[in-house]
Amino acid sequence: GDSVTQTEGLVTLTKGLPVMLNCTYQTTYSPFLFWYVQHLNEAPKLLLKSSTDNKRTEHQGFYATLHKSSSSFHLQKSSVQLSDSALYFCALSLNMGYKLTFGTGTSLLVDP
Amino acid sequence: GALVYQYPRRTICKSGTSMRMECQAVGFQATSVAWYRQSPQKTFELIALSTVNSAIKYEQNFTQEKFPISHPNLSFSSMTVLNAYLEDRGLYLCGARSTGANTEVFFGKGTRLTVV
Repeated sequence: GDSVTQTEGLVTLTKGLPVMLNCTYQTTYSPFLFWYVQHLNEAPKLLLKSSTDNKRTEHQGFYATLHKSSSSFHLQKSSVQLSDSALYFCALSLNMGYKLTFGTGTSLLVDP
Repeated sequence: GALVYQYPRRTICKSGTSMRMECQAVGFQATSVAWYRQSPQKTFELIALSTVNSAIKYEQNFTQEKFPISHPNLSFSSMTVLNAYLEDRGLYLCGARSTGANTEVFFGKGTRLTVV
């Protein structure tokens, strides 16, 4: 079946530094990939989405590029802020979010 | 804006009893509603997907007999955890979306179920 792998459980960074959260996936179909962000006691919210190979997508300073050749959709930001501290989930869908398969999530903790 | 409310936010039930949770969509038509569970140390697993005027589709390891779902209109869905045991504890998340090729899924904050 389909699966999403996020290798880091916790990432701790100092404010202003760059970050990359890893996401790889397995599917036999052509997927939609998503990044969701969940702040403490809040609902997960869509951060980024893509289904186009090798095209960078950006939102709120975060960016990711879907690379079908390596089955990856890593999330990056050039300078993290304190408010970026949250849980980040990578997810895939075969039909634009109708059914999402989530990764295990990465907690990002930004220190002052 | 589009919002999804889930209630209760937290609940505790005795082992062997049942617990009903609700999901309310505001600001959009929830044509499809997906219920997910996040068990301790695990990611979100899809329980079932419900589309108005269609049959509810349950994922492997989840059944209607255990997790009956109601989706009577375009703004509301409920799910009951019947005969709850320890392995049913976790955060239950409702994700709703309207029809259309590029519509986003909006999530509620979840219902956290503790079984004692």
